[in-house]
Amino acid sequence: TQLLEQSPQFLSIQEGENLTVYCNSSSVFSSLQWYRQEPGEGPVLLVTVVTGGEVKKLKRLTFQFGDARKDSSLHITAAQPGDTGLYLCAGEGTTDSWGKLQFGAGTQVVVTP
Amino acid sequence: SAVISQKPSRDICQRGTSLTIQCQVDSQVTMMFWYRQQPGQSLTLIATANQGSEATYESGFVIDKFPISRPNLTFSTLTVSNLSPEDSSIYLCSGGQGVGAPLHFGNGTRLTVT
Repeated sequence: TQLLEQSPQFLSIQEGENLTVYCNSSSVFSSLQWYRQEPGEGPVLLVTVVTGGEVKKLKRLTFQFGDARKDSSLHITAAQPGDTGLYLCAGEGTTDSWGKLQFGAGTQVVVTP
Repeated sequence: SAVISQKPSRDICQRGTSLTIQCQVDSQVTMMFWYRQQPGQSLTLIATANQGSEATYESGFVIDKFPISRPNLTFSTLTVSNLSPEDSSIYLCSGGQGVGAPLHFGNGTRLTVT
């Protein structure tokens, strides 16, 4: 089993502040995905990163995949209350294991006005 | 993108009974999976639902406890059998077209076993 550790577990910030969530593993992943989950709903895919060192931006969200493809980070600039949610990273071991994801425990982000 | 609907959205069941969860996708998908999200924990893959054949189970999950059907490319069911309080969890259906495509999730079924 390839374990993914997320940190921090919980983050509470004021609107307008920046935040970073980390996802680390001792194993190499063929790809890594970030999801956001809101109460009563399933996870929604935000981004998939596949290349070591890759950086992807989605409006105020910046995702980075480590050079060795073992870790990733999610940075939110000028957070808004709508960014509140549970952020999950998930790794795919090989391209043959599409959909068979190893999830981290999640980071609960709360952005207050 | 595929929209995945699950029924029921929640249920309360007595110990020893079974619950069958239905998953309907609004378009044909190549792959379908069932995940479990226990209280305060992350998602764990239960099995891959294979169309027209037996599901492929992950370590720690067995067919007798979690029988799965997938009669076609848009529908699957998961049954949680012989319920115990430890089965209280959210069960999530997911699906997609495979490599390069996004994995979509349903909103989950919240099961409470009393």
